[in-house]
Amino acid sequence: ILNVEQSPQSLHVQEGDSTNFTCSFPSSNFYALHWYRWETAKSPEALFVMTLNGDEKKKGRISATLNTKEGYSYLYIKGSQPEDSATYLCAFIQGAGGTSYGKLTFGQGTILTVHP
Amino acid sequence: NAGVTQTPKFRVLKTGQSMTLLCAQDMNHEYMYWYRQDPGMGLRLIHYSVGEGTTAKGEVPDGYNVSRLKKQNFLLGLESAAPSQTSVYFCASSYFRNPEAFFGQGTRLTVV
Repeated sequence: ILNVEQSPQSLHVQEGDSTNFTCSFPSSNFYALHWYRWETAKSPEALFVMTLNGDEKKKGRISATLNTKEGYSYLYIKGSQPEDSATYLCAFIQGAGGTSYGKLTFGQGTILTVHP
Repeated sequence: NAGVTQTPKFRVLKTGQSMTLLCAQDMNHEYMYWYRQDPGMGLRLIHYSVGEGTTAKGEVPDGYNVSRLKKQNFLLGLESAAPSQTSVYFCASSYFRNPEAFFGQGTRLTVV
């Protein structure tokens, strides 16, 4: 069983605060690391797919970094808004020789609540 | 543009009954997945498939079987339902080279 860990488990912040979450994963046979946003009563939707060590991705106020050698990724939200309230999931795929093994394993998620 | 469609959306089963959940995708994706979502546990992988005719076990496969006879469909079967299988089940699919997963809307299953 692959160990994909996320911290913290939950987070409450005030509107306007900046925040960040951590995802740790095995550093061997890395293929890709994903971040998903999951709103209540909806299905998860991809934020970022990261494949290279040192990758930095940005979408509006949300950004992510990747360190495959030490096995972690950070997700940052700048100036949190109530509409950012959701569960944020990371997911990990191993592979070799440029080929994915296909098994997409999720962390348990970080529940973010942004208070007005 | 349907994406990933799960059938049914809701179901109540009695202990010992069997049922099949259907996942259909129209994006020609190679990879397909079945997850279960339980409070505080995120998404746990039940079974997955990397292509037509192939399946593999995930983290929590016991009590479930799957089949992928056609590339666009991935079936999840419960042969003898147990209350511990009460959960929300999500299907997902992705391309071989760009593994961003697209999810269905979920199936809420209650076993009484």
